Amino acid sequence: DAKTTQPPSMDCAEGRAANLPCNHSTISGNEYVYWYRQIHSQGPQYIIHGLKNNETNEMASLIITEDRKSSTLILPHATLRDTAVYYCIVRVTGTYKYIFGTGTRLKVLA
Amino acid sequence: GAVVSQHPSRVICKSGTSVKIECRSLDFQATTMFWYRQFPKKSLMLMATSNEGSKATYEQGVEKDKFLINHASLTLSTLTVTSAHPEDSSFYICSARGGQGAGTNQPQHFGDGTRLSIL
Repeated sequence: DAKTTQPPSMDCAEGRAANLPCNHSTISGNEYVYWYRQIHSQGPQYIIHGLKNNETNEMASLIITEDRKSSTLILPHATLRDTAVYYCIVRVTGTYKYIFGTGTRLKVLA
Repeated sequence: GAVVSQHPSRVICKSGTSVKIECRSLDFQATTMFWYRQFPKKSLMLMATSNEGSKATYEQGVEKDKFLINHASLTLSTLTVTSAHPEDSSFYICSARGGQGAGTNQPQHFGDGTRLSIL
């Protein structure tokens, strides 16, 4: 079973920030949180990952709560091309395996 | 960096044919590769983990004789769907991760998938 839960869908206006939440309450102390997105008929695209500090790269920012039980992916200025399914993943403990949950279907509206 | 190439992107075959899908890491050495299957409007389902030079580890319910995996080099893994039937039609996606030691938390990088249609 996936170790993360996400809302099934969200809408965001173009140009506004998209904030995608993820709950990972059973995460252990040394497990990272990974975020990917999948645009229709393509493989998942890596976005960002983090352990406990907030992270930022050219695509997004990742905010992880102090207790590490949840995180938020922030797309600062969403565009129509950001419409995709976003997956938050925590690896199966002691392995490199990902178990994908259902993700959040983000629709960016013009 | 971290590009994974998957080939072919689409294949249509007759029932009973065996189909081979290739997954290559183009700019890094992939010690571990993964194969996933995805049905329409569903999430990715892990099929197997493939380590270079050793036998693949299959997830529960995945037939290893139906889905043959070979990981003969650090840049190539193949998935062969043997004697394919219409129910094997799906979107197959590979991923790769590289390195050990200090890089153990590095992410997987995914190919663009192969859409397999069995008539």
